[in-house]
Amino acid sequence: DADVTQTPRNRITKTGKRIMLECSQTKGHDRMYWYRQDPGLGLRLIYYSFDVKDINKGEISDGYSVSRQAQAKFSLSLESAIPNQTALYFCATSRRGSYEQYFGPGTRLTVT
Amino acid sequence: QKEVEQNSGPLSVPEGAIASLNCTYSDRGSQSFFWYRQYSGKSPELIMFIYSNGDKEDGRFTAQLNKASQYVSLLIRDSQPSDSATYLCAVKANDYKLSFGAGTTVTVRA
Repeated sequence: DADVTQTPRNRITKTGKRIMLECSQTKGHDRMYWYRQDPGLGLRLIYYSFDVKDINKGEISDGYSVSRQAQAKFSLSLESAIPNQTALYFCATSRRGSYEQYFGPGTRLTVT
Repeated sequence: QKEVEQNSGPLSVPEGAIASLNCTYSDRGSQSFFWYRQYSGKSPELIMFIYSNGDKEDGRFTAQLNKASQYVSLLIRDSQPSDSATYLCAVKANDYKLSFGAGTTVTVRA
């Protein structure tokens, strides 16, 4: 089955550490997104990419960076993690021309 | 004002009843609307989308859109315990980005 995968699934790290979350997809979709989810706040867009050379900031990009290594891979980095970046992080994909997004299983990140 | 607002719930309904979920949005130019289901600890799963005013039915789910009043709703008929989840409303903002509501938690009582 065509799928969206995320690694790691769970991660505990300390304040100030650099951490990378990875997303891979076999759906053949051009567009990829990174969201974070916090209780009561819903999903908020961090970064999105419409193709390998097109990367855009979302509503909460401060403290994060991304890399689109290939059509199928989109990584999210926290350069210097802080406790309020503790959240559930989701990668999503969509086809060109479609608004329907499909989500990976999520990464639960805890920053102590 | 949030772009997309939902009643957080929890909404508790007996098995077999109709669950009615509502969502309002602020951007009058919004064109496309989506409902995602999210089980606890899992990722959101797309269950319905609607682009035109009126009703759209898919199995036990019906989405209703009223652009003039800027709301979209989801009805779940013959609710089952497996429908217990959080339902997220999403609205296409621009450039294929979606704005999500915080979600309504539904509990179906057996």
